[in-house]
Amino acid sequence: SQKIEQNSEALNIQEGKTATLTCNYTNYSPAYLQWYRQDPGRGPVFLLLIRENEKEKRKERLKVTFDTTLKQSLFHITASQPADSATYLCAPGSYNFNKFYFGSGTKLNVKP
Amino acid sequence: SQTIHQWPATLVQPVGSPLSLECTVEGTSNPNLYWYRQAAGRGLQLLFYSVGIGQISSEVPQNLSASRPQDRQFILSSKKLLLSDSGFYLCAWSFGQETQYFGPGTRLLVL
Repeated sequence: SQKIEQNSEALNIQEGKTATLTCNYTNYSPAYLQWYRQDPGRGPVFLLLIRENEKEKRKERLKVTFDTTLKQSLFHITASQPADSATYLCAPGSYNFNKFYFGSGTKLNVKP
Repeated sequence: SQTIHQWPATLVQPVGSPLSLECTVEGTSNPNLYWYRQAAGRGLQLLFYSVGIGQISSEVPQNLSASRPQDRQFILSSKKLLLSDSGFYLCAWSFGQETQYFGPGTRLLVL
């Protein structure tokens, strides 16, 4: 069965640095991959979607890469701010299904 | 614009009692609807999804059930709650097979 792996350990970085989060998947060939942000006690919020024919996608301080050979996506936040502190979830998806599964998320702590 | 509502926000129920959580979506037609559960400090577990009225797909065997009596209404139910049913329940909708939009969630504590 498909497996989605995100680093379960929290990532602690200093304000102003670049945060890089990893999402690996196995037994799966997704057509796209999404990243969501979740704050404590709230539902996830969509951030970015990258398709399999796109190597990189950017939105303001966010950058996502998608390597279908490595079966990996990297999520970068440049010039990180304490307000970026949250849990970030990845979700590979396929157009063959009306559902997709989320990784368990990586908690990011940005210290001032 | 689209809005998704869930209620109640918080619920404390005794073991063995019934459950009914409701989710409604405004501003869109024929959305895909989803129920997820999130245990404390854990990831999202997909419970049910629906692509239309009366069409429910179950992801995991459990004592929960879901129904979609109207196009934009999704209900999660149980006849008898277990301690293990405690968690944060999230409803989401999507238009098509991509981005999902989540509701505010219901925190359920079964005692």
